[in-house]
Amino acid sequence: DQQVKQNSPSLSVQEGRISILNCDYTNSMFDYFLWYKKYPAEGPTFLISISSIKDKNEDGRFTVFLNKSAKHLSLHIVPSQPGDSAVYFCATLHSGTYKYIFGTGTRLKVLA
Amino acid sequence: DTAVSQTPKYLVTQMGNDKSIKCEQNLGHDTMYWYKQDSKKFLKIMFSYNNKELIINETVPNRFSPKSPDKAHLNLHINSLELGDSAVYFCASSQGTANSPLHFGNGTRLTVT
Repeated sequence: DQQVKQNSPSLSVQEGRISILNCDYTNSMFDYFLWYKKYPAEGPTFLISISSIKDKNEDGRFTVFLNKSAKHLSLHIVPSQPGDSAVYFCATLHSGTYKYIFGTGTRLKVLA
Repeated sequence: DTAVSQTPKYLVTQMGNDKSIKCEQNLGHDTMYWYKQDSKKFLKIMFSYNNKELIINETVPNRFSPKSPDKAHLNLHINSLELGDSAVYFCASSQGTANSPLHFGNGTRLTVT
């Protein structure tokens, strides 16, 4: 029973264009959302987060959007760079618990 | 100065053996975790400790026993290893406060033959 889903296992984007990664969740009690980036043979690295009181958070080339009514989260990377090629995981947290739940990941390939 | 470090990076062992994976964090965090990434790349939580106390145990077989000697360390001991235990195990830590992200180690790839 997957509470956090990333329905696109992979995505290819041309360098300089926008990358959009999507994530859906089922539990309306989740109130903190995160994106992680993972390179091979390394641990996931925290990228950006958003709390449920916001609908957008921006950090440089990375913007996370939250649509609570649709239970949908997205990560926009613009402009995309070859170094952004990695697996991206979305994650959620129900505050009051310590349980971070992860999606299955989307492999992003940015083509030079 | 690695924030979350786990050893070993690779572990190859035979079925039935007992093995341990160590984890240490120097971030001053109160909460530590073990996650398992299986062959389908799904990151699943196994355990969490807050200030040396077990707070999450996700129906993991009792062959898996976490040990937290202090809040900077969370080790994972696995008895009677099985083929299905082959996976990458990630240690992580967080401040344990609202809206604090997880910080991961680089993983231990366990292969059981």
